[in-house]
Amino acid sequence: KAGVTQTPRYLIKTRGQQVTLSCSPISGHRSVSWYQQTPGQGLQFLFEYFSETQRNKGNFPGRFSGRQFSNSRSEMNVSTLELGDSALYLCASSLALSPGAGNYGYTFGSGTRLTVV
Amino acid sequence: QKEVEQNSGPLSVPEGAIASLNCTYSDRGSQSFFWYRQYSGKSPELIMSIYSNGDKEDGRFTAQLNKASQYVSLLIRDSQPSDSATYLCAGSNAGGTSYGKLTFGQGTILTVHP
Repeated sequence: KAGVTQTPRYLIKTRGQQVTLSCSPISGHRSVSWYQQTPGQGLQFLFEYFSETQRNKGNFPGRFSGRQFSNSRSEMNVSTLELGDSALYLCASSLALSPGAGNYGYTFGSGTRLTVV
Repeated sequence: QKEVEQNSGPLSVPEGAIASLNCTYSDRGSQSFFWYRQYSGKSPELIMSIYSNGDKEDGRFTAQLNKASQYVSLLIRDSQPSDSATYLCAGSNAGGTSYGKLTFGQGTILTVHP
């Protein structure tokens, strides 16, 4: 059974550019969340999607956006990149099928390492 | 105050010993708790989940939850060098329209020395 697949694995971008990261969840998982991990802030929640709808959003500026497609695949976009956006971006999927069904753990992908120069 | 706080590390234990990792949380709406293990340069891997007060055992791992004290712990028995990693505690506040935003602690680095 394939895990959560994130592409690309590594990215180097210049300040001011934009970037799109992709995530394919485990087959059958419809809930997808994104997290940013940095040495200073740890793992921070970006947003979560279910059935193509954003259900929750973390405290990140509007430059961070995402979407989910009908096949549950998800993308996140960061516009006008800043040096501080350099981080490991992690996507996670869950079998949760309804709100409140938080008893399902999230499985993480390998992440996309973004470096902004 | 951070929503999820883990005991400060790093934690070093000898091989074969019990490693005890602790976590407290401030959001009483958190219903489910998870322990993730993250090796250096890798992504977090789910090792235990717990939703009810009490203990839950899985092999060498035991998770404990006390909702009244807002406390979660993870015990690793017969620690092995391969257990050396960062352990992340996370709480989920699924409910309403949320499917389970995870709030993570800062992590505890565990080193098991031979």
